Amino acid sequence: DVKVTQSSRYLVKRTGEKVFLECVQDMDHENMFWYRQDPGLGLRLIYFSYDVKMKEKGDIPEGYSVSREKKERFSLILESASTNQTSMYLCASTGGGADTQYFGPGTRLTVL
Amino acid sequence: GESVGLHLPTLSVQEGDNSIINCAYSNSASDYFIWYKQESGKGPQFIIDIRSNMDKRQGQRVTVLLNKTVKHLSLQIAATQPGDSAVYFCAENMGTGGGNKLTFGTGTQLKVEL
Repeated sequence: DVKVTQSSRYLVKRTGEKVFLECVQDMDHENMFWYRQDPGLGLRLIYFSYDVKMKEKGDIPEGYSVSREKKERFSLILESASTNQTSMYLCASTGGGADTQYFGPGTRLTVL
Repeated sequence: GESVGLHLPTLSVQEGDNSIINCAYSNSASDYFIWYKQESGKGPQFIIDIRSNMDKRQGQRVTVLLNKTVKHLSLQIAATQPGDSAVYFCAENMGTGGGNKLTFGTGTQLKVEL
């Protein structure tokens, strides 16, 4: 089974703090994705990566950056957290020519 | 049924009944569709998928139907159980131009009444 793990289930940070969200997958997938999920808006793509050290902006990249130094790990960085970044953050991965994305359990981030 | 960008509709069914959850998609170039189940506080879980060269696919207690003419997707759950209570949403891959990116609907809340 594909396993995607995220470093924290719940996180509380203060405005202006730098926040790191980590995602690890164990299936040697090439592609990894970061989404945020808000009520009524569904999943919105923040950034994705097709390979190590490669990244591409999704639909809402403003206020975020990413890092992919190793194939299994994709990090989402909030350089200076703001209250409007309070959300559920979901990581996903896919690979081997398949289109199905497998998700991690999510990190619920609250920015005070 | 759900569609991208709309509020979250709710479907209530009695335990043991069949459930039908609908999804309208917008891009006629989409060639791959997935249904996910998301329980409260958890990440989305893959249920079943279908390619555009098919109009029906069956899994264990679930069936996905695809009508490309009207750009409509449905998920049928047979003999609905309390454990099926969750938000269900569809996703589409917009063909070769979309790479591995998926576009997601906002979801339908399924409530199973005992």
